[in-house]
Amino acid sequence: RKEVEQDPGPFNVPEGATVAFNCTYSNSASQSFFWYRQDCRKEPKLLMSVYSSGNEDGRFTAQLNRASQYISLLIRDSKLSDSATYLCVVKASGGSYIPTFGRGTSLIVHP
Amino acid sequence: EAGVTQFPSHSVIEKGQTVTLRCDPISGHDNLYWYRRVMGKEIKFLLHFVKESKQDESGMPNNRFLAERTGGTYSTLKVQPAELEDSGVYFCASSPPSAGLFYEQYFGPGTRLTVT
Repeated sequence: RKEVEQDPGPFNVPEGATVAFNCTYSNSASQSFFWYRQDCRKEPKLLMSVYSSGNEDGRFTAQLNRASQYISLLIRDSKLSDSATYLCVVKASGGSYIPTFGRGTSLIVHP
Repeated sequence: EAGVTQFPSHSVIEKGQTVTLRCDPISGHDNLYWYRRVMGKEIKFLLHFVKESKQDESGMPNNRFLAERTGGTYSTLKVQPAELEDSGVYFCASSPPSAGLFYEQYFGPGTRLTVT
């Protein structure tokens, strides 16, 4: 079983739609969780950290479910510019800050 | 403020040759990381510098890879001799000192390495 698993997609949605991605992780000692966005042939950029209580940033909402070991990202009112690959990143506790990346979920928002 | 820069952006070399990748982190960022993404796979951690010291190099694939960060500023990653399976995109990232669990890593644009 992969340490961090994501549905590769692509998720093909119309503008204005609401779309949600999940990401499951296998290490129960994981402490830190992030969603990164990566545009085609570009570098990953932090979209948002995921806190235990869940957090929202504009149209984006991130949730953490420790019991089931998954995090989610909800995008409301999708824009064409949201088209990208969304990477789930998980870090375990301890002195090492090695992050584990998922392969990413591809989102295509069409007119 | 300048972001993380990497050089070259692309490199095509033959199997057995040597290639050196360079990363310039954001000024003042003590933490520097190297990652690699092989086609079709996830981004994988290679190693982590804190200033000039290697904090963790557990992700380095083998001894054909050598990373340095003399003076704690820019870093180089040398692959010698290169093999076909070394092809991929090599990302560098940096983060500020004393970063906590939720620190953000700033990624460079990557170097696309093709070994033929």
